[in-house]
Amino acid sequence: DAGVIQSPRHEVTEMGQEVTLRCKPISGHNSLFWYRQTMMRGLELLIYFNNNVPIDDSGMPEDRFSAKMPNASFSTLKIQPSEPRDSAVYFCASSIRGGAYEQYFGPGTRLTVT
Amino acid sequence: KNEVEQSPQNLTAQEGEFITINCSYSVGISALHWLQQHPGGGIVSLFMLSSGKKKHGRLIATINIQEKHSSLHITASHPRDSAVYICAALMDSNYQLIWGAGTKLIIKP
Repeated sequence: DAGVIQSPRHEVTEMGQEVTLRCKPISGHNSLFWYRQTMMRGLELLIYFNNNVPIDDSGMPEDRFSAKMPNASFSTLKIQPSEPRDSAVYFCASSIRGGAYEQYFGPGTRLTVT
Repeated sequence: KNEVEQSPQNLTAQEGEFITINCSYSVGISALHWLQQHPGGGIVSLFMLSSGKKKHGRLIATINIQEKHSSLHITASHPRDSAVYICAALMDSNYQLIWGAGTKLIIKP
């Protein structure tokens, strides 16, 4: 298996632009997690999907952030408009069934907003 | 006070040494997750355990639920073990992970 796939690996954009991050979970996994990692705050859960349905989005910073999972093999995290404080590494992870099982992380997307 | 605390924050050792990283938590959990983050940024799951001990190669993880404490051990450490090791407590909600701050390990040849 290819593991969790994320794209792009690096994104540099200007403040105010829309940013879309993509994730393909491991086939057969029905849970998907989006995390953000910064030096100041470490790893933070942004949103958790189970069977393509958002279960907990309380970690989404504000309305500028939105996430979708239109099917079991694809999810997006969108930031519109982006701000410099959104600069971070965004990780997608999947697990076979909920958080009680090991989460497998993608390589991350390093986002820089100038 | 963080709900999950790791110690030490930084650890430098010589190749071959036995390494211990500790994780204490103050909340009720259903399991504890140990992960490794390499200098390049990738995160790899090492163990998820809810009781006793697990071993994988030179890595051993133990947990004492009553004492709310877990340890990660590395035997015969090697420079390629240099990474940040993170423990995360899985809440009874079944998906929420409370993350420790990580332990930065450097193994010198």
